[in-house]
Amino acid sequence: ETGVTQTPRHLVMGMTNKKSLKCEQHLGHNAMYWYKQSAKKPLELMFVYSLEERVENNSVPSRFSPECPNSSHLFLHLHTLQPEDSALYLCASSQDSVGRNTEAFFGQGTRLTVV
Amino acid sequence: AQSVAQPEDQVNVAEGNPLTVKCTYSVSGNPYLFWYVQYPNRGLQFLLKYITGDNLVKGSYGFEAEFNKSQTSFHLKKPSALVSDSALYFCAVRDMGGDYKLSFGAGTTVTVRA
Repeated sequence: ETGVTQTPRHLVMGMTNKKSLKCEQHLGHNAMYWYKQSAKKPLELMFVYSLEERVENNSVPSRFSPECPNSSHLFLHLHTLQPEDSALYLCASSQDSVGRNTEAFFGQGTRLTVV
Repeated sequence: AQSVAQPEDQVNVAEGNPLTVKCTYSVSGNPYLFWYVQYPNRGLQFLLKYITGDNLVKGSYGFEAEFNKSQTSFHLKKPSALVSDSALYFCAVRDMGGDYKLSFGAGTTVTVRA
């Protein structure tokens, strides 16, 4: 609906598993983001990519590893997660080449449960 | 540093009554301000934004927001609420002279009763 598609929608993984979240945007945007949404807490910005280069990493643990192979795709590779990492992971994109006043468009999120 | 405060966890109104969702912000420079809505099991949907100019901004689904620089506020309003407006609302701010970071509030759950 928003032009940003995330897969899978739901993911249950054990603490020793390796999995990846995928995000694809069809809007021609040049910036992409990963956010973590936990109940009753503000959205936490995890990673920002602009023109396929990482421009921000908000002290995210190394068990989260992003990858941006091109401006339309963004991945979040997950490895040896903890139960407190269970959350809704949201991908977003925006057109940021002309300034910072453009809104971000969000995907529907991946509901991650770590068991 | 920049931040957003949404002082109310929940807002309950009757259908047809005015709806207000409060937001205050803090930035070192001038702000870009945004409102988003999230329905259950969905991502965030953009409602409206303030960049410059008129302090009253009109957005989607009959929502509007008023920018008040002296009070550092950007409250979301709707003159007549609908049951379908029941959702989680997020205010966000970005510093005009800053980086890509868009800071969100913790969200306000709006319940509109029939």
